[in-house]
Amino acid sequence: DSGVTQTPKHLITATGQRVTLRCSPRSGDLSVYWYQQSLDQGLQFLIHYYNGEERAKGNILERFSAQQFPDLHSELNLSSLELGDSALYFCASKGQTSLGGNTIYFGEGSWLTVV
Amino acid sequence: QQQVKQSPQSLIVQKGGIPIINCAYENTAFDYFPWYQQFPGKGPALLIAIRPDVSEKKEGRFTISFNKSAKQFSLHIMDSQPGDSATYFCAASRANDYKLSFGAGTTVTVRA
Repeated sequence: DSGVTQTPKHLITATGQRVTLRCSPRSGDLSVYWYQQSLDQGLQFLIHYYNGEERAKGNILERFSAQQFPDLHSELNLSSLELGDSALYFCASKGQTSLGGNTIYFGEGSWLTVV
Repeated sequence: QQQVKQSPQSLIVQKGGIPIINCAYENTAFDYFPWYQQFPGKGPALLIAIRPDVSEKKEGRFTISFNKSAKQFSLHIMDSQPGDSATYFCAASRANDYKLSFGAGTTVTVRA
């Protein structure tokens, strides 16, 4: 168990709809990263938040947005959904390893199916 | 554009064999190179990571070899076991942002 919690685990929705994915980072971690994993694109970085502020954007569509709240949980909002948005969405947080360095810990993901 | 290229796409070994997965990167600003292991239905889990100031790192049966001049790094799984059957991803980032660029993944199957 990485300590990163994501909900929901599975979600099926129709094209054109909007969904919200939720993430709670590991206790004490201030950073939250969102990644998308699909068969054709692999694991792609979407966006990074640190202590409520956006720090970096990757291959995130304009139809997608995210935010990090004062309690450090984060939400990824996906709107005007298309069939191609079907993917596994991962949240990750940055924290220290047992050896003292930093690394990224991933949650178990939210499976989104757009029909 | 894919910043980290990973090969092979899949491989099958017998128990006790040594699967080797290779990765290459272009961005010389990368200075953090982790490997992740992913089982079906689970998130990627950190396996081992290396920084460019060392050429090799071992953790248990997993070894990373790193060649900074060639901009390549590889994962060796020593004495592989059926429980090692998973998809392995190499990744790279700058250590100050941890914005990981992932390879395409290698599916390893270890046959008993």
